[in-house]
Amino acid sequence: DVKVTQSSRYLVKRTGEKVFLECVQDMDHENMFWYRQDPGLGLRLIYFSYDVKMKEKGDIPEGYSVSREKKERFSLILESASTNQTSMYLCASSQLENQETQYFGPGTRLLVL
Amino acid sequence: GQSLEQPSEVTAVEGAIVQINCTYQTSGFYGLSWYQQHDGGAPTFLSYNALDGLEETGRFSSFLSRSDSYGYLLLQELQMKDSASYFCAVRSPYNTDKLIFGTGTRLQVFP
Repeated sequence: DVKVTQSSRYLVKRTGEKVFLECVQDMDHENMFWYRQDPGLGLRLIYFSYDVKMKEKGDIPEGYSVSREKKERFSLILESASTNQTSMYLCASSQLENQETQYFGPGTRLLVL
Repeated sequence: GQSLEQPSEVTAVEGAIVQINCTYQTSGFYGLSWYQQHDGGAPTFLSYNALDGLEETGRFSSFLSRSDSYGYLLLQELQMKDSASYFCAVRSPYNTDKLIFGTGTRLQVFP
């Protein structure tokens, strides 16, 4: 059974803290994605990676960075958390040539105080 | 650019048929995908239409018409467990070449 796991289901951080969200997939997928999901806005792509050490900006990369040192792991970093980054963060993976079929992790609900 | 429009909410009763529409404005795309997300859960892939026409998978069917810039998800013999949010998504080589999701349709099924 395919699996994408995220390090935390719920996280509470303070403004200005550095936050790390980890995602691991066991399907040997080339592509990995980070989205944020907010009510009424759907899923918005933050960053995307199609290979180790490769990354591309999505629609809303400001305030975020990513790291992909190993194929199975994709990390999202909030350099200095702000209250407007309170959201649900979803990680996903897919095969290189089949972005249409993405497998999502359970999500991390982040609250920044 | 591209945008996808879906109704925000649809309600129906068990056993009924419901259609969730997705209209899009994009300069070209590979196909139309649908995802389901239960409250508190992760989105899960339902279907993908690469070509125009109807694709059927059990109780769920998905339709695409490129000439009309329109697609829909059809759910038959509705069950309570079908209550969820449904997202359409497209990927265009003329935009970011990444999957762009609609804002989602919340389906509530009543007994």
